[in-house]
Amino acid sequence: QVRLQESGPGLVKPSETLSLTCSVSGDSLSGYYWNWIRQPPGKGLEWIGYVHYSGSTTDNPALKSRATISIDTSKAQFSLRLSSVTAADTAVYYCARAPLGNSVNFDDWGQGTLVTVSS
Amino acid sequence: DIQMTQSPSSLSASVGDRVTIPCRASQSIGNFLNWYQQKPGKAPKLLISATSSLQSGVPSRFNGSGSKTDFTLTISSLQPEDFATYYCQQSYSNPLTFGGGTKVEIK
Repeated sequence: QVRLQESGPGLVKPSETLSLTCSVSGDSLSGYYWNWIRQPPGKGLEWIGYVHYSGSTTDNPALKSRATISIDTSKAQFSLRLSSVTAADTAVYYCARAPLGNSVNFDDWGQGTLVTVSS
Repeated sequence: DIQMTQSPSSLSASVGDRVTIPCRASQSIGNFLNWYQQKPGKAPKLLISATSSLQSGVPSRFNGSGSKTDFTLTISSLQPEDFATYYCQQSYSNPLTFGGGTKVEIK
């Protein structure tokens, strides 16, 4: 049974960079896309992007290239960096796994971590 | 980007009711449609992939249907543990997008 666990600061100042890490246990990183998804308080879900085992990435253009997703297979971790944050980036951030295939669906999720952007 | 619309944003139902939750895509997405259930304070849980494929362990009272732009999640007999918010998500093209959610509340 795979387990995903987000970690990182819960408070980030405006204009700074948000950094989160997702640790994966119980399964190999190969064969999947590793995703970041966020949910502002009381609102819906927004896909941020994913990284493949090979290191290739795809992100959501709505974030205007502020998001960088990377993977460290030796540590079984993948990471998100979101630059130039504002209050609008306040959200619960989830990491999630998506099996490779024609249809990208998120079959396992971390518990989520709340990141607040405030001075 | 493909817009996913879920209306209504909430509905009230009783235990035992048959509930249908619609989802509409702004363009044809074939059958590239997934459904999630989210309870307060928890991560979403994948219920159905590729329009109608039930995930392992998900009760058979959940059923997905539809194609192209119009999709439906049906709960045949609502149980107390089904009160939650349901999201659809398209996987036809990037960026992957979710509907705004439908909250199923107790009548």
